[in-house]
Amino acid sequence: SAVISQKPSRDICQRGTSLTIQCQVDSQVTMMFWYRQQPGQSLTLIATANQGSEATYESGFVIDKFPISRPNLTFSTLTVSNMSPEDSSIYLCSVEVAEGQPQHFGDGTRLSIL
Amino acid sequence: KQEVTQIPAALSVPEGENLVLNCSFTDSAIYNLQWFRQDPGKGLTSLLLIQSSQREQTSGRLNASLDKSSGRSTLYIAASQPGDSATYLCAVDCKAGKSTFGDGTTLTVKP
Repeated sequence: SAVISQKPSRDICQRGTSLTIQCQVDSQVTMMFWYRQQPGQSLTLIATANQGSEATYESGFVIDKFPISRPNLTFSTLTVSNMSPEDSSIYLCSVEVAEGQPQHFGDGTRLSIL
Repeated sequence: KQEVTQIPAALSVPEGENLVLNCSFTDSAIYNLQWFRQDPGKGLTSLLLIQSSQREQTSGRLNASLDKSSGRSTLYIAASQPGDSATYLCAVDCKAGKSTFGDGTTLTVKP
């Protein structure tokens, strides 16, 4: 198991600004992921955060819009850049402690863009 | 591309009933399948993980089954309680860590 802390838990931002979301895990994990959950919808994988190298993005998501850092095995950040109202979503960090083990999620960051 | 479907989208039952939630997926080449619970405004809580070589997993009043060949999984909840009210999500891993989620089933258990 793993305990995941996400900050901030929620924010309201102005159009055109950027916000960085932090994800801290209480133990070293092999895999960290970032998901988006748009209102009334299920989760969509944005990218896999790779330790010490560039993140691996899914189709429809690009580094310029969602830059990700993962400086070590317990921490990652996701930045939502140049925000528009369409970016209003819950952003969730998840981890896999080891291959084949359950994924664990943080409580998410609820983001609203005015 | 993997697609995951959950039926029904919503379900309302009286307390004490046994119920089944369904999940189907299009690509049977999976690593594992995981059931989650999501409470309003919260993240996801892992309920059960079934590896591709397994057919079922049990935890308390919950039992999850997996039939890879038919692309189906069920989550059985016995003796439902109002505290079970939440959205239940099914997630399929076709590659280590890359999960495809269904849209969820929103369960309401009435006292």
